[in-house]
Amino acid sequence: GAGVSQSPSNKVTEKGKDVELRCDPISGHTALYWYRQSLGQGLEFLIYFQGNSAPDKSGLPSDRFSAERTGGSVSTLTIQRTQQEDSAVYLCASSVGITAHEQYFGPGTRLTVT
Amino acid sequence: EDQVTQSPEALRLQEGESSSLNCSYTVSGLRGLFWYRQDPGKGPEFLFTLYSAGEEKEKERLKATLTKKESFLHITAPKPEDSATYLCAVYDRGSTLGRLYFGRGTQLTVWP
Repeated sequence: GAGVSQSPSNKVTEKGKDVELRCDPISGHTALYWYRQSLGQGLEFLIYFQGNSAPDKSGLPSDRFSAERTGGSVSTLTIQRTQQEDSAVYLCASSVGITAHEQYFGPGTRLTVT
Repeated sequence: EDQVTQSPEALRLQEGESSSLNCSYTVSGLRGLFWYRQDPGKGPEFLFTLYSAGEEKEKERLKATLTKKESFLHITAPKPEDSATYLCAVYDRGSTLGRLYFGRGTQLTVWP
């Protein structure tokens, strides 16, 4: 079946602009996760959704970052007033449930802020 | 302090030369340890889940093992197509529900 998809695959934006990154999880997966991967760094957890609810937003780096999920499916990660330090690969994953289930990742969106 | 430490950072092997990658972890209560493979420009690909010390999982040339403090990914007779970055992640009983802690990975290169 179809895996996790993300769009766009690449995004170049100017400092100060807003960007939206989209994630379409595996059908039937109730849990959805966002991670950030910077060069030479491990994956940094940002936020997760159980259904449409995000119980813990403490992983978001700043208040410029927000995320939503509608219909228990597609999720959007929005970064406002982008900064150069936001440049990274943003990865989305989904899983059947929230507890100790393997997470399946999408291909990521490479964001470059100039 | 990192909760997951992987070693070595990089490993070069000749085709057929077996070796092991290490993942050591510090968590309050392990609920699961996950191994992923990541190719350049792609998202991590799930390989194994281990839940308790003594557990082992195998897939082709890969075998993952788990103790109370670390996990090993053994690669037997590797081939060039095994070249990738291998990531380890843990799910901690005491952490945010659903949150995985990842190590920085081991970059494996297998040359013919």
